Amino acid sequence: EVQLVESGGGLAQPGGSRRLSCVGSGFPFDEYAMHWVRQSPGKGLEWVGGLIWNSRYIDYAESVKGRFTISRDNAKNSLYLQMTSLRVEDTALYYCVRDMARFSGLHYYYMDLWGKGTTVTVSS
Amino acid sequence: EIVLTQSPATLSVSPGERATLSCRASQGIVDSQLAWYQQKPGQAPRLLIHGASTRATGIPDKFSGGGSGTDFTLTISRLEPADTAVYYCQHYGTSLLTFGGGTRMEI
Repeated sequence: EVQLVESGGGLAQPGGSRRLSCVGSGFPFDEYAMHWVRQSPGKGLEWVGGLIWNSRYIDYAESVKGRFTISRDNAKNSLYLQMTSLRVEDTALYYCVRDMARFSGLHYYYMDLWGKGTTVTVSS
Repeated sequence: EIVLTQSPATLSVSPGERATLSCRASQGIVDSQLAWYQQKPGQAPRLLIHGASTRATGIPDKFSGGGSGTDFTLTISRLEPADTAVYYCQHYGTSLLTFGGGTRMEI
């Protein structure tokens, strides 16, 4: 089955850190660009950041730049989101998402496969 | 960064009717690189349309996309309660992706 499964969500304190993981299966994970997209409670979708298949290009939304780090381990079919200096406003459901582009270059495209998400709550 | 503005924010329609949702970009979108997603309550988003008008695999023809430049639409015909969802547009073909704020539609 083609799927993405996130893990690592939970409660974090403001200023704290959290690491999310995502495992892809049923498709050649190492060929696709990947993204993290979040959704705050009752709000819309916000692109957090993405990276291309070989990690050569990694991009972030301004709201998380300098605090979040996206990485991947293609040998483990895994995508990661390291979150530091967490803020209350980072509270959200975090989705791991596949870009439609295989072996892409500089740009990202539309998203054709979504995980179910993992929830991060930042609160004291 | 292109800002996407969706309208209306909320929409209530009757079964069997047709709805047209709007997505307006702050700058022209090259090559119609705009996608639409559907998010039903408690579910992850699902890709409906890419390239402004191309239906994704398995999407029925009741969903149709159109437009170019700065103005895009998603039209959903033969509405049924299962179409109750929030619909988002997304610009792509860039290194910084953006979503519209969404249109919540209730049937």
